Amino acid sequence: NAGVTQTPKFRVLKTGQSMTLLCAQDMNHEYMYWYRQDPGMGLRLIHYSVGEGTTAKGEVPDGYNVSRLKKQNFLLGLESAAPSQTSVYFCASSFLAGGNEQYFGPGTRLTVT
Amino acid sequence: AQSVAQPEDQVNVAEGNPLTVKCTYSVSGNPYLFWYVQYPNRGLQFLLKYITGDNLVKGSYGFEAEFNKSQTSFHLKKPSALVSDSALYFCASYNTDKLIFGTGTRLQVFP
Repeated sequence: NAGVTQTPKFRVLKTGQSMTLLCAQDMNHEYMYWYRQDPGMGLRLIHYSVGEGTTAKGEVPDGYNVSRLKKQNFLLGLESAAPSQTSVYFCASSFLAGGNEQYFGPGTRLTVT
Repeated sequence: AQSVAQPEDQVNVAEGNPLTVKCTYSVSGNPYLFWYVQYPNRGLQFLLKYITGDNLVKGSYGFEAEFNKSQTSFHLKKPSALVSDSALYFCASYNTDKLIFGTGTRLQVFP
């Protein structure tokens, strides 16, 4: 049982390049989330999904797209990376919302130069 | 708008002393509140949660939190701090399918 895994762990991009971050969970969770963590800002929600085939915008969705084609995977895409997207990205999942805790992946450290 | 505040950026405590990490919330209705811990270069780990019932909630690693409705607070506590408790702590509240996180409090426990 691997829990929540994220690929890659580190990445350096040049401004304007694109990339996709992959999140996978093996707990059969319905809900999945993408956050970014910046110093002094806590965690901010980018996009989330309440089930396979669904996506919704979070607090800071601009510049990102997501897809949830399979229940166990949640992809975060950057179409044209900008230096402001330099951050640590975390994926999380939960069985349902409400009183259920979220399980977090180890994070992806992205630098955009 | 629903929000969670952690008024202290950093808390310093000596090993063996009690520790408190503060959290206040502003939510409509009955709050669902959570504490998470983040060790360096790791993802967040769930510590404990308050949904309903007893105001004192016990969680992992000897931590507990007290829900106080009149003061809209949910402070994290531990009777005797360990150096290994040094980490970043986040308070969060549930709001329609998602969690709202505070900005985090760094706990430093000195030997």
